[in-house]
Amino acid sequence: DAGITQSPRYKITETGRQVTLMCHQTWSHSYMFWYRQDLGHGLRLIYYSAAADITDKGEVPDGYVVSRSKTENFPLTLESATRSQTSVYFCASSGTEGNEKLFFGSGTQLSVL
Amino acid sequence: AQTVTQSQPEMSVQEAETVTLSCTYDTSESDYYLFWYKQPPSRQMILVIRQEAYKQQNATENRFSVNFQKAAKSFSLKISDSQLGDAAMYFCAYRSAFPPRGDMRFGAGTRLTVKP
Repeated sequence: DAGITQSPRYKITETGRQVTLMCHQTWSHSYMFWYRQDLGHGLRLIYYSAAADITDKGEVPDGYVVSRSKTENFPLTLESATRSQTSVYFCASSGTEGNEKLFFGSGTQLSVL
Repeated sequence: AQTVTQSQPEMSVQEAETVTLSCTYDTSESDYYLFWYKQPPSRQMILVIRQEAYKQQNATENRFSVNFQKAAKSFSLKISDSQLGDAAMYFCAYRSAFPPRGDMRFGAGTRLTVKP
């Protein structure tokens, strides 16, 4: 089915473990984004990508790594998870025009114990 | 860096009444886009309305309209004839018009309650 999908939907891990959240879109959108949503902070941008092999930091990039070897995939890796990274993570994509809306995935609820 | 501020963490409105949600932003750019998104309990992000900064006319979408004041860097959302289904978190967002920037920044959100 066309769209943007995130996996897993829920994840529980322990501090210090590496975790990778997956994001896949079928529209061939140029832009992809990772946000985290925390109460009182809204959605904060972690990383974004304007095209394959082009990534840039957002507001809260520390502790996260991204890659974009293919246009359709944009995985987010927590290299050594910390409790402060417990959050809901959203992936999004859009076309190249600034007035285009973002299409969001369903989110991944991550708990770091 | 651009910042978006929503100063009302919570708002409530009586069904069928009108409510206005506030948003201010900070930018040095002259061309950009502004958005309001709605997030119901399902966590789905739904675009409500968008505004191009170069357009002076305020955007409207059915019961939703904005008051865009470029000089004041203000972008409020007015919901008329409020319905129970309007209850949700509302996020204001800013997006640069200059590629490859293109990143979208969000405010902290306003939780809207609609009372029957």
